[in-house]
Amino acid sequence: GESVGLHLPTLSVQEGDNSIINCAYSNSASDYFIWYKQESGKGPQFIIDIRSNMDKRQGQRVTVLLNKTVKHLSLQIAATQPGDSAVYFCAERETGNQFYFGTGTSLTVIP
Amino acid sequence: EAGVAQSPRYKIIEKRQSVAFWCNPISGHATLYWYQQILGQGPKLLIQFQNNGVVDDSQLPKDRFSAERLKGVDSTLKIQPAKLEDSAVYLCASSLGGSGNSPLHFGNGTRLTVT
Repeated sequence: GESVGLHLPTLSVQEGDNSIINCAYSNSASDYFIWYKQESGKGPQFIIDIRSNMDKRQGQRVTVLLNKTVKHLSLQIAATQPGDSAVYFCAERETGNQFYFGTGTSLTVIP
Repeated sequence: EAGVAQSPRYKIIEKRQSVAFWCNPISGHATLYWYQQILGQGPKLLIQFQNNGVVDDSQLPKDRFSAERLKGVDSTLKIQPAKLEDSAVYLCASSLGGSGNSPLHFGNGTRLTVT
C-alpha cells in the first residue's frame, strides 16, 4: 500500500506486506530529515534519519528515500508487523536547528 | 540513558485559569524544544532554547504563553490565561544541538484539557 500524505492520511496493510508512507516537505533549504513513529499516549519516537546529501538510507526493516528535486520523502517498512501500527511523521530541519513536522499518516496493520 | 521527563502527564483546567508544564531533558542536551500537538495534527514548534537562551519563539503566542530555561537544564512552559483552543498535548524534546545531525528525543507529553 502507499500513502500520498495529506490526501490519504490513513494506510491499512496486511501483516507481512511492505508499507510505503510518503511525505512532502516545504523548504528546499532543509538539510536533515527524520521519520518518527508515535503510538497513542506517547511522544514521537525516532525511527531513521537522512541528510540532504544522501538519497537513500537503510535501517532494520526500514528504508528512507529522499528526492530533493520534488521535495519528497518516503518511509518503507518491510514485512509490516502489528507493532508497526502507529502514526508516522516526517520532520525537516531548517536553518538554526528548527524542526518542522508534517501532518502524519496513520498506519494500521491488519493481522 | 534516561529519556526526556515531563510532568504532569495530564491536566484539566477551566478557561482563564493558568497552568505550568515542566520538562527535564536528556543530560548533556543543549537544545530544548516545546511543541504543541493538537489532536490529529503534527507537532507544532512553540519555542526553542539553546542552553538558557531563546533561539526561536516566533510561533509562541506571547500574550498568554511563556517559557524559561533559567539554568540551561530544566524548562517550564506556562499558559496564562488558558483558552479552549489550548487543549492539546504539550511535548518537550531535546537534542545535542550544534552543527551535527542530532535527532530530537521526545518526552511523553502533558495532555491539557481546557473546559
